[in-house]
Formats: sequence, structure tokens, C-alpha cells
Amino acid sequence: GENVEQHPSTLSVQEGDSAVIKCTYSDSASNYFPWYKQELGKGPQLIIDIRSNVGEKKDQRIAVTLNKTAKHFSLHITETQPEDSAVYFCAASMGSGAGSYQLTFGKGTKLSVIP
Amino acid sequence: DSGVTQTPKHLITATGQRVTLRCSPRSGDLSVYWYQQSLDQGLQFLIQYYNGEERAKGNILERFSAQQFPDLHSELNLSSLELGDSALYFCASSVGPGQPNEKLFFGSGTQLSVL
Repeated sequence: GENVEQHPSTLSVQEGDSAVIKCTYSDSASNYFPWYKQELGKGPQLIIDIRSNVGEKKDQRIAVTLNKTAKHFSLHITETQPEDSAVYFCAASMGSGAGSYQLTFGKGTKLSVIP
Repeated sequence: DSGVTQTPKHLITATGQRVTLRCSPRSGDLSVYWYQQSLDQGLQFLIQYYNGEERAKGNILERFSAQQFPDLHSELNLSSLELGDSALYFCASSVGPGQPNEKLFFGSGTQLSVL
């Protein structure tokens, strides 16, 4: 089955700096890659996603890049703010190709933005 | 607020007991996914239902079962509970596999504590 590796497990940045989280996946059939943000006591919140037919997607301060050849994808957060502090999860899915969007998650990255 | 409703928020029970977790998907969503989140295993896919039928199965124990009712709400039943079943259980919903721009939205979870 699919295996998703996520690095780093913890990340501390100064407010205003950029943060980058990287993930690799094992199954070349995966074609959908969402990122979730989880705050304490809450469920994972979808913040951005990318499908395998594009290499990059941006939404304000958040961007995701995908390299299908190398089977890795990354989350980039620019101009970080204290409210960006949370645990971030990457995930991979074979999507409609498998008839199910079941997600395989990475282990998570705890991001701390220091004011 | 994702629009996915899970009840109860907290559940404390004893080993050997049986509990039922409930999930109401977002309006219009036909697919429901169940996930377990624990410190050692991370977020693990358990099972998916689509329009009342089981669609995909993950790492779900035989002691666990689920169903989706005609009104599309879903229940996850956990029986013969063990200490190791203590975890956060999340439900996610989506429009349904095969739909363009399919995305999963998570509820706020049920925290299960088995004593």
C-alpha cells in the first residue's frame, strides 16, 4: 500500500519567515495530495490540495508544489503568523482511480511560529 | 466549521464495553470516511461508505463495524473495547468518488478513553 513520509516532525520559525514542509510518497498511482492543518482539540482542516495534472498551486500565503517524477510534494507558507502555529499533515490518495479518496497521511509536522 | 457533525465529543468507558460513534456528513455529501488518530499510529483510515454501501476498507479491526443509513448519517460501532482503542476517531465526508474536485472535510472528532 501507499506510504507517506513527512519531514520535519517539528519546525520553529520566527514570525514573518517562511516555512517549508516536505513529503514523499511511494505509490506512483497516487494522484491527489491534500494538506491539512490541525489545531489542538480540533479536526484536520483542509488548507490546500493539488492533483497530479499540475505542478504548483498557490492560495495567498500558502503554496504547494508537486514533483511526480521524484514522488515528492511540499507545502510552503510565507510571511508566517502566530496563528499558523499548528500540526500540519500531508496526505496522498489514488483518488477516483481507486474508486475511493481514502487518504494515507504523513506523521505530521508541528509548526511553531515565534512572535 | 466543516459542516461535518460528530457526537459525542468525549466518551469514557471501560474495557470490554461497546460504544457507538455517530457522524452526520455535510449537506449534499454522499460519502463518509472514518479515521482513527493515535499518538503512535497517526491518522489511520478505517472504512468508507458511499450512499449506504461499503466502498473501501482500511485497517479496521474485526471488533469494529460501521454502517451508513438512508439519511446518510453513519455510525461506527466499537465492541469488546481494549485500552489500546483509546484514540480520537474522526469522520470525514465528501461528495463522492468520481466527482470533479473531490475533497474530504473532517469533523471535530470523538475522543474515546477506555479505562
